[in-house]
Amino acid sequence: EAGVAQSPRYKIIEKRQSVAFWCNPISGHATLYWYQQILGQGPKLLIQFQNNGVVDDSQLPKDRFSAERLKGVDSTLKIQPAKLEDSAVYLCASSSWDSQETQYFGPGTRLLVL
Amino acid sequence: AQSVSQHNHHVILSEAASLELGCNYSYGGTVNLFWYVQYPGQHLQLLLKYFSGDPLVKGIKGFEAEFIKSKFSFNLRKPSVQWSDTAEYFCAVRGGADGLTFGKGTHLIIQP
Repeated sequence: EAGVAQSPRYKIIEKRQSVAFWCNPISGHATLYWYQQILGQGPKLLIQFQNNGVVDDSQLPKDRFSAERLKGVDSTLKIQPAKLEDSAVYLCASSSWDSQETQYFGPGTRLLVL
Repeated sequence: AQSVSQHNHHVILSEAASLELGCNYSYGGTVNLFWYVQYPGQHLQLLLKYFSGDPLVKGIKGFEAEFIKSKFSFNLRKPSVQWSDTAEYFCAVRGGADGLTFGKGTHLIIQP
């Protein structure tokens, strides 16, 4: 079974620029999560999708971050405009409808904002 | 809101030593508890999980964890560590239908 795919793996941008990350979950997984992991900390949930609907986006900085999962499969996370403090690893995870407790993580996208 | 506290940020052990990593959580209801591991250069992997039943759960690579409800703890243990156990270890909790809440992680270094 293929795992969660993410791209790009690395991205360097300047502050005030925009950036987008892509995630392809494990086939058949209805639930998709985006996490932000700042250096030295554990991952923090940004947004959770159930199919193409948002379940929880309470910790998403909505003034600059947005995410979508239009067809209930792939998802994109966008930051516009980026700030220095957005430098982090952005992790995507997915889980199946009948086993939502177990999340499978992708390799992450490492973002550096200069 | 749920939260997770990991007691040690860095742990250094010699091979064959015993390991115990502390984890405490706060949440008012029923929780699912997890330990994830991140080996150097690799992505997060599930080590073990507790949902219900026997509070002593066994995971991969000889790891186990004990859920003590009265102490809100879920400590990770391994009787004899190996050099290959060098990694970052994260305790996580999930309450209800929420996403995971992670601790800050423990960086474990095993010296040969």
